[in-house]
Amino acid sequence: DQQVKQNSPSLSVQEGRISILNCDYTNSMFDYFLWYKKYPAEGPTFLISISSIKDKNEDGRFTVFLNKSAKHLSLHIVPSQPGDSAVYFCAASVSGGYQKVTFGTGTKLQVIP
Amino acid sequence: GAVVSQHPSRVICKSGTSVKIECRSLDFQATTMFWYRQFPKQSLMLMATSNEGSKATYEQGVEKDKFLINHASLTLSTLTVTSAHPEDSSFYICSARSGGGGNTIYFGEGSWLTVV
Repeated sequence: DQQVKQNSPSLSVQEGRISILNCDYTNSMFDYFLWYKKYPAEGPTFLISISSIKDKNEDGRFTVFLNKSAKHLSLHIVPSQPGDSAVYFCAASVSGGYQKVTFGTGTKLQVIP
Repeated sequence: GAVVSQHPSRVICKSGTSVKIECRSLDFQATTMFWYRQFPKQSLMLMATSNEGSKATYEQGVEKDKFLINHASLTLSTLTVTSAHPEDSSFYICSARSGGGGNTIYFGEGSWLTVV
């Protein structure tokens, strides 16, 4: 049962354009969402997060949008840079305590120079 | 930012032997640490959740006697793969959640295990 889904396994975007990565979840108990970037043979790097009390969080070129009614979140990267090419994982958890984080299957982003 | 360190980054062991991977939180106390496994071109698979001072909670399908997890202190968790087989060869990643109800989880660099 995949509670966090990233339906696009890959995405190609021209340098300078916007990259939009999407994520859907099914568990209504999730109230904290995170995005991670991962290069091959490295651990994931935390990018940005959002609590369910917000619908938008921005950090530099990265913005995460949360639509609770649709159980959908997205990561916008603008402008996209070649160094952004990596696999992006969406993750969700129930905040606090010992709650585990559930990851999506990842989307491979390629930014074309 | 918070740093989580894993050691070793690469290890090769013979079939039937045991190997230990360490995960340390370097600048915060981690009440909870997680161990993941990643197969090629697949997502991270949570193996177990380890809470300091108590037994780890294993995900369904993960053999607790094979993958021994110890979280003896607030900054160190270890994963021991016992009686390793070639099919245990994989990329193992740990992560840590800071104490005080912190929500962000930071990952280690990962450890490549090859069993020959």
